[in-house]
Amino acid sequence: EAQVTQNPRYLITVTGKKLTVTCSQNMNHEYMSWYRQDPGLGLRQIYYSMNVEVTDKGDVPEGYKVSRKEKRNFPLILESPSPNQTSLYFCASGMQGAYGYTFGSGTRLTVV
Amino acid sequence: QQPVQSPQAVILREGEDAVINCSSSKALYSVHWYRQKHGEAPVFLMILLKGGEQKGHDKISASFNEKKQQSSLYLTASQLSYSGTYFCGTVFSGGYQKVTFGTGTKLQVIP
Repeated sequence: EAQVTQNPRYLITVTGKKLTVTCSQNMNHEYMSWYRQDPGLGLRQIYYSMNVEVTDKGDVPEGYKVSRKEKRNFPLILESPSPNQTSLYFCASGMQGAYGYTFGSGTRLTVV
Repeated sequence: QQPVQSPQAVILREGEDAVINCSSSKALYSVHWYRQKHGEAPVFLMILLKGGEQKGHDKISASFNEKKQQSSLYLTASQLSYSGTYFCGTVFSGGYQKVTFGTGTKLQVIP
């Protein structure tokens, strides 16, 4: 089944403890992206990647890191999480060109 | 800049029609539309490219007016399954990758 898989689905962590949210897609998509969703603010792009080893900042990149060493994987790294990074995170992937995105099921992160 | 969606929320009875608007302050290359049901991921509905085209998807269609930098989503004869939050996503240049989403329109269809 074609899908974008995020793990974990839920995560509660403490301020300053490094964490990684994984994202993997099995559709051979070139493009992958991370969004965060907060009430009233919609989906805001954190980082995106157009292919292996090619990444760029989105609209809210501060406090996050990404890497794209393999085409299928695009992990999101929070080196020192803070409470303002408590949010619902979505990974998305898509083909190059005028196509829509496929979203993962989301990761609800709480930083205390 | 995030596109502006209107209305922010709307309640419909089954069978009624609705229009959701998406406006940008910058020139648009393309517009995406997605629907997100409560507790789920957004699901792609359609994409519209420069050229003022209109697309359809069952009883859901959309138009794109590049001169006005606007897109509208039309839901006709609404069904209970149409309930959810609708997002438009705008692309400001020829790069298909950077999609900026609006804040969403919450649509509730009641019997």
